[in-house]
Amino acid sequence: DTEVTQTPKHLVMGMTNKKSLKCEQHMGHRAMYWYKQKAKKPPELMFVYSYEKLSINESVPSRFSPECPNSSLLNLHLHALQPEDSALYLCASSPQGGAISYEQYFGPGTRLTVT
Amino acid sequence: EDQVTQSPEALRLQEGESSSLNCSYTVSGLRGLFWYRQDPGKGPEFLFTLYSAGEEKEKERLKATLTKKESFLHITAPKPEDSATYLCAVQAGKLSFGAGTTVTVRA
Repeated sequence: DTEVTQTPKHLVMGMTNKKSLKCEQHMGHRAMYWYKQKAKKPPELMFVYSYEKLSINESVPSRFSPECPNSSLLNLHLHALQPEDSALYLCASSPQGGAISYEQYFGPGTRLTVT
Repeated sequence: EDQVTQSPEALRLQEGESSSLNCSYTVSGLRGLFWYRQDPGKGPEFLFTLYSAGEEKEKERLKATLTKKESFLHITAPKPEDSATYLCAVQAGKLSFGAGTTVTVRA
């Protein structure tokens, strides 16, 4: 089973709201990722959790914060977002991270609209 | 800095008209090259991994090949359901995506 699930599918939030996106995989993968994708653009890496260590794309603003409660779950907490943060947020997982290169399996995404 | 360039940007095909998509890359220490298919509003779907020059992978009407500087995704006798955006990604350090090729297959 190569499935990554994401909830919710759609989210509309105001600029003062706090919300969370959730991602889950049951493939025993050791690395999980958050990506942001704007229309007609490729995915941009935001965060990587690999072997319980967090790697951050330094261009990602602090209003996004990841949390990894266990090896199967990855959350993305959202606070005080801006309209330009509206995008498709994708979660992915891969068997391992680090020096070995493995394919990433993506979830269906959460369509986020910030009003 | 790693660079991944896909061409053409868009490709319109008649059903049954075979064609190829190109992914050229400039990276230091390629660890893997990946092809994905993405339908509108959905997450990318993994297709192939290629690790070394000369390697080829096939799946139904799709065949991916790799040289030291580029990869090709060949679509043989495409059908309308092959319409999608095809993304190439290379891994040296992090995974770097190309901008994609949007393929439209007309019946």
